[in-house]
Amino acid sequence: NAGVTQTPKFRVLKTGQSMTLLCAQDMNHEYMYWYRQDPGMGLRLIHYSVGEGTTAKGEVPDGYNVSRLKKQNFLLGLESAAPSQTSVYFCASSYRPVAGNTIYFGEGSWLTVV
Amino acid sequence: AQTVTQSQPEMSVQEAETVTLSCTYDTSESDYYLFWYKQPPSRQMILVIRQEAYKQQNATENRFSVNFQKAAKSFSLKISDSQLGDAAMYFCAYRSANRGGSEKLVFGKGMKLTVNP
Repeated sequence: NAGVTQTPKFRVLKTGQSMTLLCAQDMNHEYMYWYRQDPGMGLRLIHYSVGEGTTAKGEVPDGYNVSRLKKQNFLLGLESAAPSQTSVYFCASSYRPVAGNTIYFGEGSWLTVV
Repeated sequence: AQTVTQSQPEMSVQEAETVTLSCTYDTSESDYYLFWYKQPPSRQMILVIRQEAYKQQNATENRFSVNFQKAAKSFSLKISDSQLGDAAMYFCAYRSANRGGSEKLVFGKGMKLTVNP
């Protein structure tokens, strides 16, 4: 089972460049999330989606955009990368809580902005 | 807004011994879920155990068990017979069960567990 798959796994960007992280899940989950993890900060929510065609801001949304054109995919975009966006990014997905409460994570994407 | 606090940034335990990781949370909701996730050096987030707030019985998964004190808003994880492979970062997390919200996971800042041979 593939579960939650993130691409790419590693990327180095120059300041000002743009890129897109792709998250794909094959569990037919309604909810999808993008988190970032920084040392000593735990995981912080960037954006999330509760269904196809919907997105919403999380705790730290500035500098990021997202799209969910298909139920199985959730894209995270950086339009103009900054060194402060150097982080490990995690995608996650789940059913609605009434149908199942566990959130499943991808393996992470390491992004370095120089 | 809900918050999750892990007050101990690091702990260590001897192999085969028992260790308890603490977690407290703050919420005004009555229906929610609590989780412990393990993150080994590979950085993968692995679900260790989960607890539904409406259940009084503490969840157990093999060597892992929780002590859920709803009134005190406390959710500690006990690891019995610690193994070298248990060494990792451990995150406590909260998820609302209220419909219509994001039902997102709110994480504590994590705790690094070292297992000494």
